[in-house]
Amino acid sequence: SAVISQKPSRDICQRGTSLTIQCQVDSQVTMMFWYRQQPGQSLTLIATANQGSEATYESGFVIDKFPISRPNLTFSTLTVSNMSPEDSSIYLCSVASESRNEQFFGPGTRLTVL
Amino acid sequence: GNSVTQMEGPVTLSEEAFLTINCTYTATGYPSLFWYVQYPGEGLQLLLKATKADDKGSNKGFEATYRKETTSFHLEKGSVQVSDSAVYFCALISGSARQLTFGSGTQLTVLP
Repeated sequence: SAVISQKPSRDICQRGTSLTIQCQVDSQVTMMFWYRQQPGQSLTLIATANQGSEATYESGFVIDKFPISRPNLTFSTLTVSNMSPEDSSIYLCSVASESRNEQFFGPGTRLTVL
Repeated sequence: GNSVTQMEGPVTLSEEAFLTINCTYTATGYPSLFWYVQYPGEGLQLLLKATKADDKGSNKGFEATYRKETTSFHLEKGSVQVSDSAVYFCALISGSARQLTFGSGTQLTVLP
């Protein structure tokens, strides 16, 4: 299984600011995903991070609010822009194992917006 | 579209009790099914999986059988421990997109 790290592990931010979350994988992977887990809720897919092209966003999520970069096969960033308290969530990146049809998750970034 | 329906929580059990968490799904094609566990303050860990009908996934004493006829993947454990206290998510992948569809999660608390 892949080893995935995320930075920061948690942050407290002010309304109107932006935060960039980094996701690093210890091996090259084709498919990376970003999920949001609101307090007490399940996980919702934000977007698929595509290497060398624009991310593919799910309904309800837009690039201006959640810009994503994927410069290579081991790294991605998610930015939460112009934050409001409603953005307080855990943000998780995951990678798909191409051979075994599994997904592995990073430890998550716990974001609190005041 | 794909969807996963999980048993409503929270579930509270005494140590050594039998656990069942129900999960049913709707999917196009032939999905792979998963149970993930989230311990307090941690990320998601893959607990077990099954990729075709009648497969049984198992890990750490937990089991789940892929039942195509009832579109179910119920999680069971014969004797729970306090350390099993966590949130359990049923999920599926269907098609080539590799995107996970999650259930709502079930909070399990095991009391000593």
